[in-house]
Amino acid sequence: GDSVTQMEGPVTLSEEAFLTINCTYTATGYPSLFWYVQYPGEGLQLLLKATKADDKGSNKGFEATYRKETTSFHLEKGSVQVSDSAVYFCALTTNTDKLIFGTGTRLQVFP
Amino acid sequence: DTEVTQTPKHLVMGMTNKKSLKCEQHMGHRAMYWYKQKAKKPPELMFVYSYEKLSINESVPSRFSPECPNSSLLNLHLHALQPEDSALYLCASSHRLAGEWGNEQFFGPGTRLTVL
Repeated sequence: GDSVTQMEGPVTLSEEAFLTINCTYTATGYPSLFWYVQYPGEGLQLLLKATKADDKGSNKGFEATYRKETTSFHLEKGSVQVSDSAVYFCALTTNTDKLIFGTGTRLQVFP
Repeated sequence: DTEVTQTPKHLVMGMTNKKSLKCEQHMGHRAMYWYKQKAKKPPELMFVYSYEKLSINESVPSRFSPECPNSSLLNLHLHALQPEDSALYLCASSHRLAGEWGNEQFFGPGTRLTVL
């Protein structure tokens, strides 16, 4: 079945460091790919999305490119802030109403 | 209006109580979802309503009963819950044309449920 694999956390960085959170997927057909962020005590917020190969999603300095050849959708940010500390979920959906989530990666940014 | 609202924010109930969670959106979305999220885990899908009809039930125990009174509202009725049902309950909605999938889901802030 369809699945998403994320790197284990926590990822611990100093402010202004470069961030990469790896995400790979397995899916039949052509999935849409998403990154969601969850701040402590809150619901999930859509961070960015990509719906076809080579699309680049971007928002708030975060970017991810839909790589069909490597079945990946890695999240990157050039300079993280303390306020970026949260849990990040990679997710996909195909020809159903189901959103398949990865296990989540906790990011901790220290000043 | 681009948000999903959920009430209450927190709920504490006993195992013999009956309570309801409410979710509302005014984005014209025709698909609405209930998820359960335990600590340090991703959300788990419980139910999906598409055009006000239940389209997916992920083998959820009958002590959870969903209801979709209209295209903007989604309820989750709770009865005789167990302590292990304590979790964050998230509602989501998405734009859903007939025969179309792949759209993003917008989540509410959740209801933090504690069952004593």
